[in-house]
Amino acid sequence: DSGVTQTPKHLITATGQRVTLRCSPRSGDLSVYWYQQSLDQGLQFLIQYYNGEERAKGNILERFSAQQFPDLHSELNLSSLELGDSALYFCASSPGGSASYNEQFFGPGTRLTVL
Amino acid sequence: GNSVTQMEGPVTLSEEAFLTINCTYTATGYPSLFWYVQYPGEGLQLLLKATKADDKGSNKGFEATYRKETTSFHLEKGSVQVSDSAVYFCAYRSEIQGAQKLVFGQGTRLTINP
Repeated sequence: DSGVTQTPKHLITATGQRVTLRCSPRSGDLSVYWYQQSLDQGLQFLIQYYNGEERAKGNILERFSAQQFPDLHSELNLSSLELGDSALYFCASSPGGSASYNEQFFGPGTRLTVL
Repeated sequence: GNSVTQMEGPVTLSEEAFLTINCTYTATGYPSLFWYVQYPGEGLQLLLKATKADDKGSNKGFEATYRKETTSFHLEKGSVQVSDSAVYFCAYRSEIQGAQKLVFGQGTRLTINP
């Protein structure tokens, strides 16, 4: 158990809908990262938050957004869902956000299926 | 561009066989390198890491050496077990202006038969 929790574990929805994925980082970790794992794109970095502020952006679509709250949990919002958004979404956390080495600890993921 | 290329899977071996999963990377400088493992139905776990050239990371019988000359970080294990069946991801840590992200290879599915 990494200490990172994600809810829900599974999510099934229809095209055009909007969903919210939730992540609670390890106790004391200030950084949260979101990754998408799909069959065709592999495992891709989406976005990083550090202590409530966006720190880095990867291949995140404009239909997707995220935020980190004062209690450090994070939410990933996916809107206008398409079939191709079906994937496993991972959250990871690390102690800091600076350039020094910070191991990232991964949650179990949320499997999103768009029908 | 920056990327990680892994040996294509799936890889199927018998128990106690020798394992090598190749990994090469394209990146500026000398990034930290990682192997992550994903067991069925679980998230990614850090298996081992190396932070500078010639470093050897090791854990649970797995080893990988950071080779800057060949920009490689191949994963090896002398005698695999059924419990090693999982998907293995090679990755490097990319840092831009203090922000960091992991860049992953496509993953290699390993199945060990008894």
